[in-house]
Amino acid sequence: QVQLVQSGAEVKKPGASVKVSCKSSGYTFISYYIHWVRQAPGQGLEWMGLINPSGGSTIYAQKFQGRVTMTRDTSTSAVYMDLSSLRSEDTAMYYCARARAWFGELDSWGQGTLVTVSS
Amino acid sequence: QSALTQPRSVSGSPGQSVTISCTGTSSDVGGYNYVSWYQQHPGKAPKLMIYEVSKRPSGVPDRFSGSKSVNTASLTISGLQAEDEADYYCCSYAGSVYVFGTGTKVTVL
Repeated sequence: QVQLVQSGAEVKKPGASVKVSCKSSGYTFISYYIHWVRQAPGQGLEWMGLINPSGGSTIYAQKFQGRVTMTRDTSTSAVYMDLSSLRSEDTAMYYCARARAWFGELDSWGQGTLVTVSS
Repeated sequence: QSALTQPRSVSGSPGQSVTISCTGTSSDVGGYNYVSWYQQHPGKAPKLMIYEVSKRPSGVPDRFSGSKSVNTASLTISGLQAEDEADYYCCSYAGSVYVFGTGTKVTVL
């Protein structure tokens, strides 16, 4: 069955960076795009960007341009989301999710990774 | 890209129908038939309920239906059940980027 398994919770200080992983199984890794979506405590979902695991191309939401980097490792079927210059407002649950097309729906989600930014 | 506008909350009794609206612009909801809806229970990851405006993934009850008119998409839950109590989010393709709605809490009275 399709599974997206994310790395564990992180606690970071303001100004630091965090790298969250998302390991895929149960399907052909390069055939689906991976999106990253975050959710601050008690707030709604916020789209951060996506990566095409086939060629590595990315699209980022304007809000995160310059601070986020999404990469992939086809040998391990993993995608990584690196967010730098962390501030308290980045405290959130971060989800990866797969989509069958560039404009496709997010049909399977990871369990989420809680990132806490605190001094 | 601004978030799509959803009502903060809707409620209904078991067996009733509720409809959640999702209002955007011609650059997102109105410009593409790539609107999807997600259900999220507390402490859980979102779950896909509707895609491409009105299509249902396998396993999603046919009580859930979607539609769109101009710049507003809608999700209707017919025959409301206790397990439908959750947060619901719309999402639209917006020309290489995506935008989510503000979210709606559905309460089953």
